[in-house]
Amino acid sequence: DTGVSQDPRHKITKRGQNVTFRCDPISEHNRLYWYRQTLGQGPEFLTYFQNEAQLEKSRLLSDRFSAERPKGSFSTLEIQRTEQGDSAMYLCASSPDRGKDGGIGEQFFGPGTRLTVL
Amino acid sequence: AQTVTQSQPEMSVQEAETVTLSCTYDTSESNYYLFWYKQPPSRQMILVIRQEAYKQQNATENRFSVNFQKAAKSFSLKISDSQLGDTAMYFCAFIFLYNQGGKLIFGQGTELSVKP
Repeated sequence: DTGVSQDPRHKITKRGQNVTFRCDPISEHNRLYWYRQTLGQGPEFLTYFQNEAQLEKSRLLSDRFSAERPKGSFSTLEIQRTEQGDSAMYLCASSPDRGKDGGIGEQFFGPGTRLTVL
Repeated sequence: AQTVTQSQPEMSVQEAETVTLSCTYDTSESNYYLFWYKQPPSRQMILVIRQEAYKQQNATENRFSVNFQKAAKSFSLKISDSQLGDTAMYFCAFIFLYNQGGKLIFGQGTELSVKP
């Protein structure tokens, strides 16, 4: 399977603990995105990488959140001092720079990591 | 600010019938794309169809087609000959091009149930 993979698929943690999620994009994709999806809502953009450079961060990404993509391949999203409001599905997506038609590259999504903060 | 609105939280359709999901968006940008994504229960999101704003012709992918009304900022999805496997959450999404990439802005979703 050469799609986007995420690990772990589920994470249960206690309030105040730190958690780290990993995303492995499709190998030839330069762009990597993180989104957060709460129950019954559409995904909300968190941050975006072009290779190893983090080009944009949403205001949703508080100081407790940090994302890295050290070698332009896999990415990690860390949440420090988790709060109950952090409970959500965290989605990773990757895309090429351009689509086959020269237009915008399609974003391919991973299965997500479901975080539950007790 | 760019927003996407899906006014139908839930819809149902009989197998083999046609259903239309609504989406409106708000933007001052002129160069953008619109998408419909499908998220089946407990499965990952996949792209159903995409539309480039500068193209007047409505996109079509097999049983899926869109009605893109740029002046009205409307982008509806029509599913013909509905199948049980079409049961899923459907999200309308918008992306405008800036710098070298873009972030997707999603609507709230429409939960579609296809009944046998």
